[in-house]
Amino acid sequence: GAVVSQHPSRVICKSGTSVKIECRSLDFQATTMFWYRQFPKQSLMLMATSNEGSKATYEQGVEKDKFLINHASLTLSTLTVTSAHPEDSSFYICSAHVAGLTDTQYFGPGTRLTVL
Amino acid sequence: KQEVTQIPAALSVPEGENLVLNCSFTDSAIYNLQWFRQDPGKGLTSLLLIQSSQREQTSGRLNASLDKSSGRSTLYIAASQPGDSATYLCAVLSNTGNQFYFGTGTSLTVIP
Repeated sequence: GAVVSQHPSRVICKSGTSVKIECRSLDFQATTMFWYRQFPKQSLMLMATSNEGSKATYEQGVEKDKFLINHASLTLSTLTVTSAHPEDSSFYICSAHVAGLTDTQYFGPGTRLTVL
Repeated sequence: KQEVTQIPAALSVPEGENLVLNCSFTDSAIYNLQWFRQDPGKGLTSLLLIQSSQREQTSGRLNASLDKSSGRSTLYIAASQPGDSATYLCAVLSNTGNQFYFGTGTSLTVIP
């Protein structure tokens, strides 16, 4: 089946630094990638939709200048958390949508971000 | 806006019991509904996918039903095992776009 990887799987950083998370589709091309965030004891929440070669679409309440998304190729999307603060500590998950299909998203394993 | 609710929020059962997890959604205009499993700190594993035209799907000990008109889905787990302990999430895909709406999840503990 389709595989999506995320790197790193876990990151700890100091407040004020920036962190980049990569999401890769390993054996297929993804025209659309989604970024989710999950706080403890809460459900996944969609942050943004990333389309290859165009600007990401952010959900209401998500700061686009803080969460920079780049989808430069059909197999890679990156999420950069700029000037991270402790409240940004969360579990970030990406998913990839296979071109030509509308009913399947393949999820990455997630990245645990802890900001000290 | 679509709202997805799961009941109960937490469930603890002895091994071997059959159990039902419930999911309800407010907008019946969905493309499909998926049930996911999430282990602590891990990504999601898709369990069952039900298209809007279908009423149920089965995989092993799992059976999921969908009543789109009433905005409800159930996940039935037969003969529960300790390895079934996880958080179960349901999510609906809106037929207006490629967006999932997730429920808050049911945390299941199966006691040996």
